[in-house]
Amino acid sequence: KAGVTQTPRYLIKTRGQQVTLSCSPISGHRSVSWYQQTPGQGLQFLFEYFSETQRNKGNFPGRFSGRQFSNSRSEMNVSTLELGDSALYLCASSSVATNEKLFFGSGTQLSVL
Amino acid sequence: GDSVTQMEGPVTLSEEAFLTINCTYTATGYPSLFWYVQYPGEGLQLLLKATKADDKGSNKGFEATYRKETTSFHLEKGSVQVSDSAVYFCALVHPGGFKTIFGAGTRLFVKA
Repeated sequence: KAGVTQTPRYLIKTRGQQVTLSCSPISGHRSVSWYQQTPGQGLQFLFEYFSETQRNKGNFPGRFSGRQFSNSRSEMNVSTLELGDSALYLCASSSVATNEKLFFGSGTQLSVL
Repeated sequence: GDSVTQMEGPVTLSEEAFLTINCTYTATGYPSLFWYVQYPGEGLQLLLKATKADDKGSNKGFEATYRKETTSFHLEKGSVQVSDSAVYFCALVHPGGFKTIFGAGTRLFVKA
């Protein structure tokens, strides 16, 4: 069974640009969560989607948004990039059967110059 | 709100040393508790979990016991290996919850 796939693996952008990151969950998993990982802040929860509905959202500005498609694939978008948005963005999927266990992708490393 | 606090790293040990990484939490009710591990260049993977007080989670020689009275879930291993070098995250989630809360992570270096 394929794991969680995130694309692209690396991204370099400049301030003011926008970026879209993609996540394909494990087949059959309907919940997708996004986290921002930085050396200083650890893992910060961005949002969680289930069956195309956002069920929970973290404390991030409105520049951070996401969506989930009918096939459970998810995207997150960051508009008007700032230097502080440089981070590893991790996606995780889960299912009722996994009983709260999260399966993580390898992440997208975003660098904002 | 709910939170998880881990001991700051990095922790540096020699091979075969005993490992303890402290984790305490603040939460209402009875959350499930987890330890995840992140190897270089990879995402996190579940190491062990416990769902109720006094439960002991164990995997690959690592153990942690859910202590409700001290709100703790310390990670232990009797004899670490170089291959255990990684970042370890303590986490909690409420049953039926849609958000896993992570600690800041503790980096472990094991020297041969």
